[in-house]
Amino acid sequence: TQLLEQSPQFLSIQEGENLTVYCNSSSVFSSLQWYRQEPGEGPVLLVTVVTGGEVKKLKRLTFQFGDARKDSSLHITAAQPGDTGLYLCAGAHNNNDMRFGAGTRLTVKP
Amino acid sequence: GAGVSQSPRYKVAKRGQDVALRCDPISGHVSLFWYQQALGQGPEFLTYFQNEAQLDKSGLPSDRFFAERPEGSVSTLKIQRTQQEDSAVYLCASSPLRFLAGQTSYEQYFGPGTRLTVT
Repeated sequence: TQLLEQSPQFLSIQEGENLTVYCNSSSVFSSLQWYRQEPGEGPVLLVTVVTGGEVKKLKRLTFQFGDARKDSSLHITAAQPGDTGLYLCAGAHNNNDMRFGAGTRLTVKP
Repeated sequence: GAGVSQSPRYKVAKRGQDVALRCDPISGHVSLFWYQQALGQGPEFLTYFQNEAQLDKSGLPSDRFFAERPEGSVSTLKIQRTQQEDSAVYLCASSPLRFLAGQTSYEQYFGPGTRLTVT
């Protein structure tokens, strides 16, 4: 059972478009992380957010942690084919109990 | 530097066989996690070690699953009497255990996984 709901499940867009994917839960998390996973590889950490309302930018990627620390969003500006992959969010309570969402599978067409 | 490595990368086992999956974490990382990832799903937590101590094994699906990290470095996940439903990718991650804004933060570095197929 996925504690974190990610939407949309699949997203296919053209190069240059903007997009936002969401990660929602009814639980409060002490921290939330976003990962990207490519086929045949393990997830790669993109960012960690810990403070409600926090916004972090990583080049064309903008991550936001909800004020109540229950949800998060990832916005990509001017998507490129290299952004293609499975985007996973993972939330932690104040211990080792990391829970992952099922992911959003993004395809960016050239 | 060297990342997390896992071996074997692929394993095919006949139902009923025992398998052992190895994880070599990043040197110096205190925390080590095992996850199971079914096709089209996110990773599901199996177990967690801090150094050699297994602090949480609540995610292990049955008593056929056993994990160890005897010297606080390399870890092995063993599955006894494999079943078809055990077919999945098994991911290992290690973490240096940081504190951000007063909270424990587990920034995990994943290995490539072992794809287990039980026939």
